[in-house]
Amino acid sequence: DVKVTQSSRYLVKRTGEKVFLECVQDMDHENMFWYRQDPGLGLRLIYFSYDVKMKEKGDIPEGYSVSREKKERFSLILESASTNQTSMYLCASSHRETQYFGPGTRLLVL
Amino acid sequence: AQSVTQLDSHVSVSEGTPVLLRCNYSSSYSPSLFWYVQHPNKGLQLLLKYTSAATLVKGINGFEAEFKKSETSFHLTKPSAHMSDAAEYFCVVSIYGNNRLAFGKGNQVVVIP
Repeated sequence: DVKVTQSSRYLVKRTGEKVFLECVQDMDHENMFWYRQDPGLGLRLIYFSYDVKMKEKGDIPEGYSVSREKKERFSLILESASTNQTSMYLCASSHRETQYFGPGTRLLVL
Repeated sequence: AQSVTQLDSHVSVSEGTPVLLRCNYSSSYSPSLFWYVQHPNKGLQLLLKYTSAATLVKGINGFEAEFKKSETSFHLTKPSAHMSDAAEYFCVVSIYGNNRLAFGKGNQVVVIP
């Protein structure tokens, strides 16, 4: 079974803090993705990576950056958290088209 | 561009009755199609996928979906709803050439005892 884990299930941060969300997959997948999910807006792609040290912007990259130093790990960074980044964050990995998701991190920015 | 339409954002079914969730897609090529389920405060779990083999696809938990190219549809069905089926369901289509996916808006399913 594919396993995708995320470092935190729930996170509370203050406005202006730097926030790191970590994602690890155990299936040697080339591709990894970060989404955010908001009521009424569905899932929106923030960034994805198709190889170590490679990244591509998704549909809503503003305010976020990513890091992929090892194949199994993909980090999402909020450089200066803002209240409009309160959301559910989902990580996924894939070999080809089929994506496997982690359990999600619910982030609250106060 | 590939896109997915899921009508009926909220669906109520009685326990033991059939479930039908409709999905229509738009694609200029033969896509891969997926259904995912999301239980409250959880990630998305793959229910089933169509990747150009058999048009009737069986998934986990008794769900199945039929790919109909002429109708550009990929409806999800289950003969008998269970309380544990209460969740949000997403129809998803692959985007040609880059391993990205296009997600539908989701169907929130409520199961009435």
